Amino acid sequence: GQNIDQPTEMTATEGAIVQINCTYQTSGFNGLFWYQQHAGEAPTFLSYNVLDGLEEKGRFSSFLSRSKGYSYLLLKELQMKDSASYLCAVREGDYKLSFGAGTTVTVRA
Amino acid sequence: IAGITQAPTSQILAAGRRMTLRCTQDMRHNAMYWYRQDLGLGLRLIHYSNTAGTTGKGEVPDGYSVSRANTDDFPLTLASAVPSQTSVYFCASSAAEYNEQFFGPGTRLTVL
Repeated sequence: GQNIDQPTEMTATEGAIVQINCTYQTSGFNGLFWYQQHAGEAPTFLSYNVLDGLEEKGRFSSFLSRSKGYSYLLLKELQMKDSASYLCAVREGDYKLSFGAGTTVTVRA
Repeated sequence: IAGITQAPTSQILAAGRRMTLRCTQDMRHNAMYWYRQDLGLGLRLIHYSNTAGTTGKGEVPDGYSVSRANTDDFPLTLASAVPSQTSVYFCASSAAEYNEQFFGPGTRLTVL
């Protein structure tokens, strides 16, 4: 089973940086995904980490520490369109994904 | 355009009625999934299929059934709907069970 925790809400200013933390407890870790979900829409894939360290993809970066059961998603140079929910999902050995409840990020002008 | 389609977009259903949510993908993905998303609970896996002809139970399978007769289609059936099945249902697919998942647009279901 999974226990995945992430903050419920975060607010930041346009152009700023926001870091969304995700902690998890799992019996068999096999990768961590971040998804973005705009209100009323489907989740879309952002990033994937399976080894410790930082993965950078444009304005978005994701970090993983397997020993600490910890990941974060870093959003840089925030834009209004980045207002969305960000979902942390942990994959176990059987490849099933377990999702956190999501963090709603609001970007203010 | 390649992707996943779901039907209907939304539905209001009387309790006790039978309902099938449709999901079709044209990406030739082997694995398909059904999730429900409820406020404050995140996405929860209902059923999955790693390849055509096989299915498995997820975290919350009770009251739901699926079939996978071919690669493209993965319908979800509620045999006798109950109000607690009011939710947004997302279908997803991945090339294989270890790849990232792509989600359909969702079906908003209300059971009264």
